[in-house]
Amino acid sequence: LAKTTQPISMDSYEGQEVNITCSHNNIATNDYITWYQQFPSQGPRFIIQGYKTKVTNEVASLFIPADRKSSTLSLPRVSLSDTAVYYCLVGDRGSTLGRLYFGRGTQLTVWP
Amino acid sequence: GAVVSQHPSRVICKSGTSVKIECRSLDFQATTMFWYRQFPKQSLMLMATSNEGSKATYEQGVEKDKFLINHASLTLSTLTVTSAHPEDSSFYICSARDRDTWSYEQYFGPGTRLTVT
Repeated sequence: LAKTTQPISMDSYEGQEVNITCSHNNIATNDYITWYQQFPSQGPRFIIQGYKTKVTNEVASLFIPADRKSSTLSLPRVSLSDTAVYYCLVGDRGSTLGRLYFGRGTQLTVWP
Repeated sequence: GAVVSQHPSRVICKSGTSVKIECRSLDFQATTMFWYRQFPKQSLMLMATSNEGSKATYEQGVEKDKFLINHASLTLSTLTVTSAHPEDSSFYICSARDRDTWSYEQYFGPGTRLTVT
């Protein structure tokens, strides 16, 4: 699986838009980009997944440039409850193994 | 939908005893389940891949005789920590893939906090 690099931590205030960028220079043709969210003492929760361009769902947007060597998770108008660790993962969605290897993640802290 | 449960949520055991942790997919069938462990302030580390009806596949460095995995049905996988020691104290998390969808998404359980005294 392609290795990913994310900022270790980020701070924001309530109501702001937060963009977390992930680098994955060695992404393969079949790889998808997936983001998970984890609160303390809980299992991770799927946020969004994409292959190229832009993907949007009810909680976030994922921007992927043409070269796919990076991606940006965008959280609109964050609240205190968005304080969590966010993980970017890259892998082959079609793989029957489906194993996930988590990097260090980004600790997002939202302040009032 | 797509709920994964774990039992127990917390367990304290004495050094040298064995502990079993259950992982269940409640509303879907999972051919494959995964077990992770997470130490405080660290990321999740994949321990093993649990396949229904076959032997588990362990990641490098994980002792298969110490962490016994059984995936007896399409909705249940168990992890048994044998002869537990204080260094095995950790947060154990399981996840499952829905066999009927072709998705990279894994559904994670709430985790089990193991404390070995």
